Amino acid sequence: AQKVTQAQTEISVVEKEDVTLDCVYETRDTTYYLFWYKQPPSGELVFLIRRNSFDEQNEISGRYSWNFQKSTSSFNFTITASQVVDSAVYFCALISGSARQLTFGSGTQLTVLP
Amino acid sequence: DGGITQSPKYLFRKEGQNVTLSCEQNLNHDAMYWYRQDPGQGLRLIYYSQIVNDFQKGDIAEGYSVSREKKESFPLTVTSAQKNPTAFYLCASSSPAGLASGNEQFFGPGTRLTVL
Repeated sequence: AQKVTQAQTEISVVEKEDVTLDCVYETRDTTYYLFWYKQPPSGELVFLIRRNSFDEQNEISGRYSWNFQKSTSSFNFTITASQVVDSAVYFCALISGSARQLTFGSGTQLTVLP
Repeated sequence: DGGITQSPKYLFRKEGQNVTLSCEQNLNHDAMYWYRQDPGQGLRLIYYSQIVNDFQKGDIAEGYSVSREKKESFPLTVTSAQKNPTAFYLCASSSPAGLASGNEQFFGPGTRLTVL
């Protein structure tokens, strides 16, 4: 069975603050993939990153960075110097080798205030 | 431009009526998916299809039906048997290798269905 937990339902920050969105996952498989998606107010999900279970190297893309730690089953997402345009719902998702479908967390609503 | 289209963006129906949501993709993806999203919740899988003329139930298939007669199209019918159909519906597709290889899903803009 797969499970993704995003314990933070809503987060509000002031522009230029750094913010970290938490994601904890559960799977019995050793081969799996983790994803982060962004859902702006328009509704369409936008793919941000994919990470496989064999690659624990952290990744940075502009103001975005991801911290993957298998020891704690976490795949956290940090936005540095947040901007109002970062306001959205962010979803973490998992697929493991034995499953044929993504399992999504419940999402974190991020509001960046000007 | 390649992508996924869903129509209409907003849909209103009377209780007891069946309604069909459209999903079309021109990404040449073999796999297609339908999700339901309720306020404050994540996405829940309704149905998915790995190839033409084949589809499988997801976690919440009751009250829904699908067809996959063409690679590009995966319409979803919300039947009168669905107890609480008002929700936001998202269609997605993935590359020919499918999700098991880790390829990401691409999503359409969604259809917001309101049953009156």
